[in-house]
Amino acid sequence: AQKVTQAQTEISVVEKEDVTLDCVYETRDTTYYLFWYKQPPSGELVFLIRRNSFDEQNEISGRYSWNFQKSTSSFNFTITASQVVDSAVYFCALSEVGWAGNTGKLIFGQGTTLQVKP
Amino acid sequence: EPEVTQTPSHQVTQMGQEVILRCVPISNHLYFYWYRQILGQKVEFLVSFYNNEISEKSEIFDDQFSVERPDGSNFTLKIRSTKLEDSAMYFCASGGTAGNTIYFGEGSWLTVV
Repeated sequence: AQKVTQAQTEISVVEKEDVTLDCVYETRDTTYYLFWYKQPPSGELVFLIRRNSFDEQNEISGRYSWNFQKSTSSFNFTITASQVVDSAVYFCALSEVGWAGNTGKLIFGQGTTLQVKP
Repeated sequence: EPEVTQTPSHQVTQMGQEVILRCVPISNHLYFYWYRQILGQKVEFLVSFYNNEISEKSEIFDDQFSVERPDGSNFTLKIRSTKLEDSAMYFCASGGTAGNTIYFGEGSWLTVV
């Protein structure tokens, strides 16, 4: 069965520290998509990145970087030189292409609350 | 930048009342979704909608829930007889194609008293 696990419930860092948020997923599909979303205190869900299962290239976007490793079923997210505005809940999510086709449904992890202190 | 819009942002309703949450997905998107998030918990899938019909639903989406796309722009979630445990943030989302990026609205916070 599909599952996304974010083992870190809460992380607290001091501004300018680097922080890595872990995500481990389970799926039987060979084709799937992985996502990260940010939920700031205002509550909305903000899309950060999408990665398909055939693309294991790491990605860097400004202070954000993502490490996708199929061998360990992990899709970790690193924030370099964290800032107070990075404080939020971060969700990792999985979308499968199942037997019924792909409805695009997202399965979310439990989320990691990141607090960046000044 | 196109966005998903939801109304109302917050609604308080009495137990047993019917509630309709409204959404305007991104205009050229074909896949529509409702998710919910109980306070402090993870985001849970409720239902997906494609080609004017439900394509998948979770076990949460029982007979008390229904969705509709009454015209070319709106997508609604109806809860027929609300229960206390329906109190949650409800997110509408849309995507261009299956597996493509799904964009979320800002959410409708429902409080059942």
